[in-house]
Amino acid sequence: EAGVTQFPSHSVIEKGQTVTLRCDPISGHDNLYWYRRVMGKEIKFLLHFVKESKQDESGMPNNRFLAERTGGTYSTLKVQPAELEDSGVYFCASSHTGAPSGEQYFGPGTRLTVT
Amino acid sequence: AQKITQTQPGMFVQEKEAVTLDCTYDTSDPSYGLFWYKQPSSGEMIFLIYQGSYDQQNATEGRYSLNFQKARKSANLVISASQLGDSAMYFCAMQPLARVTTLRNSGGSNYKLTFGKGTLLTVNP
Repeated sequence: EAGVTQFPSHSVIEKGQTVTLRCDPISGHDNLYWYRRVMGKEIKFLLHFVKESKQDESGMPNNRFLAERTGGTYSTLKVQPAELEDSGVYFCASSHTGAPSGEQYFGPGTRLTVT
Repeated sequence: AQKITQTQPGMFVQEKEAVTLDCTYDTSDPSYGLFWYKQPSSGEMIFLIYQGSYDQQNATEGRYSLNFQKARKSANLVISASQLGDSAMYFCAMQPLARVTTLRNSGGSNYKLTFGKGTLLTVNP
């Protein structure tokens, strides 16, 4: 079974540019989450999809961040325009609804560097 | 709101010895789950162990065990017989639990994880 994949693994962009991160969850997982870890700080929740619907986007920092999940499969997270404080590692995770433990399987992360 | 506290920024242990990584939590949710994840230098997050607040026994997974003390709100990770490959960042996390049938009606996510800042474990040969 393929795990959660993320693309790209590393992105370096200039302030003001646009970047789109992609996440492919484990096949069959309805739940998809985005998290972010800024250097030296906790991993923070950004948002949660259940299939194609946004269940909770309370962690999205501001309206420069836009997440979509086309057809309930892969998801994209767009940052436009990027700011220096957006630098960090963006993790995607997926889980199966109804799993007893709610365990989330994480992708390898995308390291975003805004210069 | 949920909060996870990991008070040890870094820990050192000799190979083959046991080590305990501390985690305390705070929550108003009646039911919750506690997780430990490992993040090696390669960056991926690896699930290690899970404990439900309603579980009567402490969780164990191979060399990993979770010392769950509900009254003290602690969920420490114990790694027995440390190996060099255990050197990594370790994160404690928690998640409120809700019945699946209420998820869509809850008005918010019941499954997001709240993480601590992590503990960097170094295993010395």
